[in-house]
Amino acid sequence: DGGITQSPKYLFRKEGQNVTLSCEQNLNHDAMYWYRQDPGQGLRLIYYSQIVNDFQKGDIAEGYSVSREKKESFPLTVTSAQKNPTAFYLCASSPLWGPMNTEAFFGQGTRLTVV
Amino acid sequence: GENVEQHPSTLSVQEGDSAVIKCTYSDSASNYFPWYKQELGKRPQLIIDIRSNVGEKKDQRIAVTLNKTAKHFSLHITETQPEDSAVYFCAAGVASGGSYIPTFGRGTSLIVHP
Repeated sequence: DGGITQSPKYLFRKEGQNVTLSCEQNLNHDAMYWYRQDPGQGLRLIYYSQIVNDFQKGDIAEGYSVSREKKESFPLTVTSAQKNPTAFYLCASSPLWGPMNTEAFFGQGTRLTVV
Repeated sequence: GENVEQHPSTLSVQEGDSAVIKCTYSDSASNYFPWYKQELGKRPQLIIDIRSNVGEKKDQRIAVTLNKTAKHFSLHITETQPEDSAVYFCAAGVASGGSYIPTFGRGTSLIVHP
């Protein structure tokens, strides 16, 4: 189903702790993305990567970090510096864009709650 | 950077009616405009898209129109059905050299009443 897997589905974190969200894809896609989804805010880009060992900040990167050591994996760390981390996080992947490669495939999401 | 505005935030229609969702964008260089549908508890999925060299595209009950001069594009759903109920996101961005980083609108929650 979809070929892109996020885990866990639900995650609880205490204030002041870092937490890492997993995203794995077996679609052989070059590009991977992390979005944050809040009610009424749409999908806001946190980080993206178009090639292994390279990634770029999105619109709301502060308080987050990523790595892209393998093509299949793009984990997101929510650090204690993120002031309002409770949200729904979506990972996506896509092939490099081209006339026949236009769709981004999303994972099922991880709902992070800070307690 | 790109800025995408999407309206309305909520749209309620009766089954069989048409629904229209509108988006505007700010970057005149944007050339690819996808629409994603997210059903409750599910992941967003691409339903239709349009490139800047096309003014309109149809796929069964859904269509998208693009006005490059005015920098706005719209999703049209005819003969709505309860299964069309979902959150719809528009997006815009520049596709170039294999790269495409979309900016999404805030989403429209479509409710189709049986």
